[in-house]
Amino acid sequence: AAGVIQSPRHLIKEKRETATLKCYPIPRHDTVYWYQQGPGQDPQFLISFYEKMQSDKGSIPDRFSAQQFSDYHSELNMSSLELGDSALYFCASTPGRLSYEQYFGPGTRLTVT
Amino acid sequence: AQSVAQPEDQVNVAEGNPLTVKCTYSVSGNPYLFWYVQYPNRGLQFLLKYITGDNLVKGSYGFEAEFNKSQTSFHLKKPSALVSDSALYFCAVRDKNGYQLIWGAGTKLIIKP
Repeated sequence: AAGVIQSPRHLIKEKRETATLKCYPIPRHDTVYWYQQGPGQDPQFLISFYEKMQSDKGSIPDRFSAQQFSDYHSELNMSSLELGDSALYFCASTPGRLSYEQYFGPGTRLTVT
Repeated sequence: AQSVAQPEDQVNVAEGNPLTVKCTYSVSGNPYLFWYVQYPNRGLQFLLKYITGDNLVKGSYGFEAEFNKSQTSFHLKKPSALVSDSALYFCAVRDKNGYQLIWGAGTKLIIKP
């Protein structure tokens, strides 16, 4: 079965650079969630999209922005990167906003040096 | 405020013995509860959920969880542990105001041969 795809899997950036993370949900899933997981920490919700519109916003810094495109893939844009942004970024998708379990991608490991 | 607590950072169990990973929650109204497992450098995998109905929920890989409303708990259990069960386990509750997941801190499960 198709799963959530995230690219790139690993990314190394320097401070003050920008990064773009991509998420391709499971086919026919129209809702996407972004989470950030710091080392040894639980995932923190960043932002979500339903039918290409932002649906919920969590602890996403103002330096970050995201959007969902017509094919339902989503991109997380991160600017003015800081060392503290180093983390595992997960994307999850569901077939509709009311669906219960979220299906997670493998994550993108971002390292800021 | 809604929250999830996993009181144990680590649980050690001998292979073949039963295991329990504890989770308590604090939500208003009826909770939607989940367990996910995370293997090293991998994404989060859905194990099971409680939405309504039978308090004993069966999930993937032989895991089950018991919803106890009076104790506000949702402990994860397995009758006979395998070494391959060693991983990080997260309990989560769905935010009532949105649809994102609120996570516990995670419990590292170590199964020794």
